Amino acid sequence: QQQVKQSPQSLIVQKGGISIINCAYENTAFDYFPWYQQFPGKGPALLIAIRPDVSEKKEGRFTISFNKSAKQFSLHIMDSQPGDSATYFCAAFRTFIQGAQKLVFGQGTRLTINP
Amino acid sequence: DGGITQSPKYLFRKEGQNVTLSCEQNLNHDAMYWYRQDPGQGLRLIYYSQIVNDFQKGDIAEGYSVSREKKESFPLTVTSAQKNPTAFYLCASRTGGAADTQYFGPGTRLTVL
Repeated sequence: QQQVKQSPQSLIVQKGGISIINCAYENTAFDYFPWYQQFPGKGPALLIAIRPDVSEKKEGRFTISFNKSAKQFSLHIMDSQPGDSATYFCAAFRTFIQGAQKLVFGQGTRLTINP
Repeated sequence: DGGITQSPKYLFRKEGQNVTLSCEQNLNHDAMYWYRQDPGQGLRLIYYSQIVNDFQKGDIAEGYSVSREKKESFPLTVTSAQKNPTAFYLCASRTGGAADTQYFGPGTRLTVL
């Protein structure tokens, strides 16, 4: 019940296209869903995050869509650019909980944007 | 300049030697984490700590040890008991509170020869 399943494992999109990465979770107690972007040899950087009280959050070309009833959330990258080529991780966890807590990460999606 | 620092960026060690990876944060975060990442793979949790002098094993703690003597420091020791230590190691810390978010350091690439 602690798993977050991410798909696809790898994705190739043409420049200017829309990249879509999906995640599904099981634990309904999760209340914070961040996405991280990682370039080779670097640490993951927080890209965008959402809480389940909203169905969509947009920051520039990046949008998270959240479906609480289906327990799914997705990252959409509009007008994808070669500089977006990276590995993307979704994650989930519970906030406002006493004691040590750990994020549950998806397996990652390697995104390649062809010029 | 605030953030999470990991040193060194690259580390080479001979097989059978213990090695300690440094992680320091000046963000005043309570929680800190260590992850291991193998090429083309996801993030696997080694150890995590919510407060000073307290830490818990993650999913792959065997062959690793940690200490948390100061809030800002969470060093990871890769011992000789770790069968396949060559990997990219990531430290992270978490804000807690209303804007609870986890941030990662730049990573240390450990190669055991």
